Order: sequence, then structure tokens, then C-alpha cells
Amino acid sequence: EAEVAQSPRYKITEKSQAVAFWCDPISGHATLYWYRQILGQGPELLVQFQDESVVDDSQLPKDRFSAERLKGVDSTLKIQPAELGDSAMYLCASSWRGRAGTGELFFGEGSRLTVL
Amino acid sequence: GESVGLHLPTLSVQEGDNSIINCAYSNSASDYFIWYKQESGKGPQFIIDIRSNMDKRQGQRVTVLLNKTVKHLSLQIAATQPGDSAVYFCAENISGYNKLIFGAGTRLAVHP
Repeated sequence: EAEVAQSPRYKITEKSQAVAFWCDPISGHATLYWYRQILGQGPELLVQFQDESVVDDSQLPKDRFSAERLKGVDSTLKIQPAELGDSAMYLCASSWRGRAGTGELFFGEGSRLTVL
Repeated sequence: GESVGLHLPTLSVQEGDNSIINCAYSNSASDYFIWYKQESGKGPQFIIDIRSNMDKRQGQRVTVLLNKTVKHLSLQIAATQPGDSAVYFCAENISGYNKLIFGAGTRLAVHP
């Protein structure tokens, strides 16, 4: 069964360090999403890609966060420098082109970040 | 801004009982709603969805009810099982925006 792959599953880092997360969506899925989920809360959209283009990054803290999807397939989310408040689960999801409105949004297992 | 929220943070039920998880939304432009289940350490998993032109939709052991008058969504789980223990999120899609906005979640604890 096809699934969204994410790595690493767990990351512990000290504040001010750089961290990076990787996501490989389901093959053929043109739309890729990065969500942040703080413990006890629902996922919050950080950035949405359509192929290699960013279509929504309104909630991405651009002073420290960056995301790219250079070839329109896999994607990397980077944080530099990490802050204590960045401790969260970072979820990647993908869907067929523009089909978030149909529920066909598939999530990966997430990358749990702890900033000390 | 407008957001999706939930009435109860934790719901405890006995195995075999029916569960009802509630969700309030405030964006009248939302045209599509989804319930997700998230088990510990895993990503959200799709359960059931409903469009705004419907008021009820049934799946296997689950039913979603939509009341647009009071902007309320509920998930009913019949004959709740231990495997149903998880956090449940409602999410809305705002017409034209093609992105999901999640509520805060309700933890369902099923006791034997």
C-alpha cells in the first residue's frame, strides 16, 4: 500500500541549531502539505505545494522556516535556528492535484521534534 | 480568525457503547468536512467525510451528522471497541481555498 514517507521519525536538538525534515509523498500526488502539530492540538498548515510551486505559505514563519520541493516530488522542511517553541510533530501529507476538498489527503507518520 | 473547535477534550466510554464526538465550526463558507482519527505516534487517518449539501452520511460503524443551522458536526461510533481509542479531529475545507483547517481534537478512551 502506497504511503507518505517521512524522516527522521524523531529529532532532538538544542536551540539555535538547524534541523531538517524530509518527505516523500505518494507517487503521482501533485499536492504536498507540511503541517505542524503541537501536543494536544490539531495540525496547523505551514506550507502547501502544487508540484514544485508554493501555493500557500501564509502560516510559515519565514524568518526561520523554509521549505522546498525542487523537482515537484520529495520535499524538505528546514528550521534555522530552532527555538524551544518549535517542539512539535511535523506532518507531511499529499493528495492528487488540488483534491484536499475531497478528503483524499494522506498523512505520513510525522517527525517528532524536541528542542532543548 | 475563524476556526473549527470541539466541545469536549476527552470522552470516556465503555466497550460496546455508542460514542458521540462533537465539533463546532464558525466558517459559513466551509463546504466540506472530514473526521480524522489519530492514534498515538501516528499521522491522522481519514474516517468519513460529508459535504455541506448533506446532513447525514453513514459508513461502517460510523455516522457523521451535519447541522448547518447551528454550525455543528458530530461523529457517532457504534459499538465502540478498544481499537477506537484515539484522538479524533474534525476538519473543514473552505470553499475555494483547497486546504483543511483542523480543530483541536477529542481524545476517546474506551474502557473494557
